[in-house]
This record gives sequence, structure tokens and C-alpha cells, in this order.
Amino acid sequence: GAVVSQHPSRVICKSGTSVKIECRSLDFQATTMFWYRQFPKQSLMLMATSNEGSKATYEQGVEKDKFLINHASLTLSTLTVTSAHPEDSSFYICSARGSKSRYGEQFFGPGTRLTVL
Amino acid sequence: DAKTTQPNSMESNEEEPVHLPCNHSTISGTDYIHWYRQLPSQGPEYVIHGLTSNVNNRMASLAIAEDRKSSTLILHRATLRDAAVYYCIPRGLRANNLFFGTGTRLTVIP
Repeated sequence: GAVVSQHPSRVICKSGTSVKIECRSLDFQATTMFWYRQFPKQSLMLMATSNEGSKATYEQGVEKDKFLINHASLTLSTLTVTSAHPEDSSFYICSARGSKSRYGEQFFGPGTRLTVL
Repeated sequence: DAKTTQPNSMESNEEEPVHLPCNHSTISGTDYIHWYRQLPSQGPEYVIHGLTSNVNNRMASLAIAEDRKSSTLILHRATLRDAAVYYCIPRGLRANNLFFGTGTRLTVIP
């Protein structure tokens, strides 16, 4: 398989601060990366899709000015939650698709649990 | 995207086979049927996919109905490590996104 890492795995921050989450494809080139959010006992919800070197495409209802996504290289995408509030507390998961995706499958990171106090 | 229906939860005894059903009656002719699973507090992982024929890999088998309106993921011998939420996702091969439904939460009983 292909390996995707996320950092940090867990973060606690104060309301009003910004938090950056990194997603890296460790052993393949990721032409497309995806960011999902998952609230407790709910399913994953796609937030945005980004292609390397292009602006991200956000799903309806996701504020692009609040959730800044950068996909500057074929192995790294970042999600910055700006001016975080308690309602942004969630499990954020990235996935990547690229040179190891024989059938278009996505490889997921382990997730980042964000708690905003 | 095709709508899917899966049981909310299922239980299995350890080392017994498990059949996880999925109905996808509105699937289009070019959609592949993908299965992913999500272990507790982890990101999802790819399990298997197929188009028309039954498929086997080291993790599971996928049985697809002849009319493609349903499929069944088969775990031949459930282990405690298979306890997870299993998602059935019809998807075009070139489609960008994966849309996760509610999935089936599998509990494996020792």
C-alpha cells in the first residue's frame, strides 16, 4: 500500500487561534489530496479537494477563508483552520491519490483530532 | 452519486465468516463498487473494489449481484482487528471524490 502521514495527531488550542495540519504522502506522489472532517459518531464529510499547484475546490458550505488549503508539492498539503472556535473541534482526515492509485483509490492519513477550548 | 443502504451494525463471532451487505440500486453502469473500512480513531483504509465479477484479495472477497444493485463484502474469518465501520461506495473510476454514507459498524465478539 501507500503511506500517508498527518501531523500533529492531536492538537488543543484556544478559541481565536489558528492551527495548521500537515498531510504528507511518504512513498508516492500525490497529484490530488482531499480533506475530510468527521464529527463524533458521524461519517466523513468531504471538505475540499486540491490538485498540486492549483487552488483547492471546496464543498458547499465549507468556508474557504476559514479553512485554508495549500498543496504546494506532490507530497505535502496543509490545512489551516483560522480563528478556530469550539464548533471547529473535530477529527480532520486527509487522503491522497496519485502514482500508487492503480484504481483511483485514495490512501488516508491517520487523522488529526482538533479540540478548541 | 448512487445512494447506498447498509445495516447500521452487525456482530460476528471471532474466526467466523462475516457477510456485510450493501444495496446500491441506483448505481450507474460505469460505477465501480469500492469498500473502505475505518478502525476506531483512525483514517479509513481501502479494502477492495469491483465492477461486475466477484473479486478476492488478501483482506476480503467481494460478491457482486448479477444486476449490480447489491454487493456483499465477505471477511472469511473475522478477527478482533476487523472491528470497524465498513463503507460501501459506488464510484466512477475517474471520479474525484469519495462520498461516505453511514456504513456498517462491525463488532467482533471474542
